[in-house]
Amino acid sequence: EAGVAQSPRYKIIEKRQSVAFWCNPISGHATLYWYQQILGQGPKLLIQFQNNGVVDDSQLPKDRFSAERLKGVDSTLKIQPAKLEDSAVYLCASSTGQNQPQHFGDGTRLSIL
Amino acid sequence: SQQGEEDPQALSIQEGENATMNCSYKTSINNLQWYRQNSGRGLVHLILIRSNEREKHSGRLRVTLDTSKKSSSLLITASRAADTASYFCAQRKNRDDKIIFGKGTRLHILP
Repeated sequence: EAGVAQSPRYKIIEKRQSVAFWCNPISGHATLYWYQQILGQGPKLLIQFQNNGVVDDSQLPKDRFSAERLKGVDSTLKIQPAKLEDSAVYLCASSTGQNQPQHFGDGTRLSIL
Repeated sequence: SQQGEEDPQALSIQEGENATMNCSYKTSINNLQWYRQNSGRGLVHLILIRSNEREKHSGRLRVTLDTSKKSSSLLITASRAADTASYFCAQRKNRDDKIIFGKGTRLHILP
């Protein structure tokens, strides 16, 4: 089966600019996750979708981050405006259900200048 | 905040030796999972162990769980160069909660 696809792989922007990431989960996976992984740390959950509904966005900085999952398949994560501390790898994962093992994409490495 | 911590932070061993990584957590859990992350890649799920289980195996991997000590260990036997990666434990507190990752152990297998 095809894995979780993410694009772009790398993105460099200046602070205060906006950026968007795209994720295509494994076909049939109802649950989709966006994580932020800062260098040297484990992933931190930003938002979790079940189909096209939000299950958990308690750690999403809603003043600047937004995410959507139209039609319960693909998802986009947006940052506007970006801050220096947003430099990180943004990982998308999907699973068949909330309590099932998660399958990760290779992430988007974001650098803020 | 991240609930668990892996120990050691970094580990270098010779190829063929066994590698043991530990994970401690603070509150009771529903299950604990181990993931591997190769440099520049996403995480790969290795093993899930539930709170009522004490040991699970998968190929060269063995995971133990001691709920009385709130700790888990991951043993990789007969290590190979391809095992070089970061290893993360992740805990799920309750059945419907999100999983929380630790900071990981960076394992380096020396040829």
